[in-house]
Amino acid sequence: SAVISQKPSRDICQRGTSLTIQCQVDSQVTMMFWYRQQPGQSLTLIATANQGSEATYESGFVIDKFPISRPNLTFSTLTVSNMSPEDSSIYLCSVEGTGTNYEAFFGQGTRLTVV
Amino acid sequence: KNQVEQSPQSLIILEGKNCTLQCNYTVSPFSNLRWYKQDTGRGPVSLTIMTFSENTKSNGRYTATLDADTKQSSLHITASQLSDSASYICVVTAYGGSQGNLIFGKGTKLSVKP
Repeated sequence: SAVISQKPSRDICQRGTSLTIQCQVDSQVTMMFWYRQQPGQSLTLIATANQGSEATYESGFVIDKFPISRPNLTFSTLTVSNMSPEDSSIYLCSVEGTGTNYEAFFGQGTRLTVV
Repeated sequence: KNQVEQSPQSLIILEGKNCTLQCNYTVSPFSNLRWYKQDTGRGPVSLTIMTFSENTKSNGRYTATLDADTKQSSLHITASQLSDSASYICVVTAYGGSQGNLIFGKGTKLSVKP
């Protein structure tokens, strides 16, 4: 298993500002994943972050809006830039287990409210 | 299109009662199916993972079933407790396994009342 510490747990931000979310894992992992969970909706993958290379973004998500850093094998950040109320959501980081079933472990999430 | 549909959307039961949550999927090719529990303000936590060859798996009071022929799964909760109040998310992995291939349902919100 993996223990993931994510912070902040929640924040209320003004529109037009940016927020950086941090994710720390208790073991070295190759890939880290960032998700968005909008109210009443399923989790949506934003991007996959590999150490030493640029993150890979899913359709509908761009680097300018959601820049990601991955400086080492245990840490990653996601920035939500130039926020609008539509960005209000829960943001989650995740890593995969080492078993054959690729079990996913999640951080506790960051609940973002943009006003 | 790969999809995971869950029902009901929400459910209220009395403490001590049993309940069953449903998951239908149209994901192909199929790798595995997972059930997660997500408490309010927390990230999802895995309950069970089932591959194509498994048709039932238990984790304490939680029992998941899988019918790969009809592409249906259920999560049965026995003798519910107040702490079972949470959202339960069905996730299907397309073949290839990694998180880039996870298809998430919207979840069933369960409320257990005393």
